[in-house]
Amino acid sequence: DTAVSQTPKYLVTQMGNDKSIKCEQNLGHDTMYWYKQDSKKFLKIMFSYNNKELIINETVPNRFSPKSPDKAHLNLHINSLELGDSAVYFCASSQTPDQPQHFGDGTRLSIL
Amino acid sequence: QKEVEQDPGPLSVPEGAIVSLNCTYSNSAFQYFMWYRQYSRKGPELLMYTYSSGNKEDGRFTAQVDKSSKYISLFIRDSQPSDSATYLCAMSVTGANNLFFGTGTRLTVIP
Repeated sequence: DTAVSQTPKYLVTQMGNDKSIKCEQNLGHDTMYWYKQDSKKFLKIMFSYNNKELIINETVPNRFSPKSPDKAHLNLHINSLELGDSAVYFCASSQTPDQPQHFGDGTRLSIL
Repeated sequence: QKEVEQDPGPLSVPEGAIVSLNCTYSNSAFQYFMWYRQYSRKGPELLMYTYSSGNKEDGRFTAQVDKSSKYISLFIRDSQPSDSATYLCAMSVTGANNLFFGTGTRLTVIP
């Protein structure tokens, strides 16, 4: 059983489109995160939710909007995709905000 | 200057060698230190989690933290080809939230 699962695994789309990435965790964790990993493998946090409430919102364009319908899900919607959005997006979860994080396998987003 | 600096490698060692991976950091408020292993096309997997200074051992892996020098290390003993991966250090001020990652060191263990 996959603990943190993301869909889709690969996403290829054109500039200007709107797309969503879904994340689900079956670990019973309270806290979920979105990270962006660029082409140089640098991993940077974007958002963090605890019990469906936003607790971290790093400097991310407002074209990116996270949505947490329940504690087990944190989806990422991206409007008006740009070339610079091409990256691997990782979802993660932890029991509480101060516990170690468990990562999904990433969604590889390519903008044409 | 980045918050966390890590030599990207690549690093190649023969099977059985002792591997030393290192990170330096600039923020003296960091208290929680982690090492993650990332295989190709996979997400980071937590290897070691330590608080403040000192050593922690888990099987073939030993994590060291020297807060006075702002330097952390991961040692892998008796390295195996299955250890071939990218190793990421990460650290935070409060718990494991809001992690700052290094760029990762790519390790290859040659049979």
